[in-house]
Amino acid sequence: DSGVTQTPKHLITATGQRVTLRCSPRSGDLSVYWYQQSLDQGLQFLIQYYNGEERAKGNILERFSAQQFPDLHSELNLSSLELGDSALYFCASSARDRGFTEAFFGQGTRLTVV
Amino acid sequence: AQSVTQLGSHVSVSEGALVLLRCNYSSSVPPYLFWYVQYPNQGLQLLLKYTTGATLVKGINGFEAEFKKSETSFHLTKPSAHMSDAAEYFCAVSDRDGGSQGNLIFGKGTKLSVKP
Repeated sequence: DSGVTQTPKHLITATGQRVTLRCSPRSGDLSVYWYQQSLDQGLQFLIQYYNGEERAKGNILERFSAQQFPDLHSELNLSSLELGDSALYFCASSARDRGFTEAFFGQGTRLTVV
Repeated sequence: AQSVTQLGSHVSVSEGALVLLRCNYSSSVPPYLFWYVQYPNQGLQLLLKYTTGATLVKGINGFEAEFKKSETSFHLTKPSAHMSDAAEYFCAVSDRDGGSQGNLIFGKGTKLSVKP
């Protein structure tokens, strides 16, 4: 168990809908990262938050947004969903930035858009 | 931009045989290097990492990897495969410059099958 909790584990929704994925980082970790894993694109970095502020942005679509709350949990919001958004979404967390630390991954949320 | 190449999307070995999974990175400045494993319907688990120091890194489950700067490689090995090693393995890199620490760039993954 990595200590990173993601909910829900599975989500099935229709095209055009909006969903929210939730991530609770490991206790004490200030950074949260979101990744998308799909068959054609592989594992892609979406966005990073550090202590409530956006830190880095990757290949995140404009229809997607994220935030990190004061209690450090994070939510990834996906809107106007398309079939191609079906993927496994991972959250990872890492400790306060005192030099490099590795990221610990949650079990992922499998999103199916029908 | 950084990129990671994993040679071979599928590797099959016999139980007890050597496991060798290849990874090359593109940066001229050696990044931080990682190997993650993903079992079916699971998240990613860190096997090992190289940040600085000894270039031969030992990880969990008997795996090790060697950082070779001249070859820009970080190949993963295990002397003797076990059935439980069947999984997908991802090589990843992260820049050292601090601007994107923790922002991992992944290879496409190598699915390891172990035959009895």
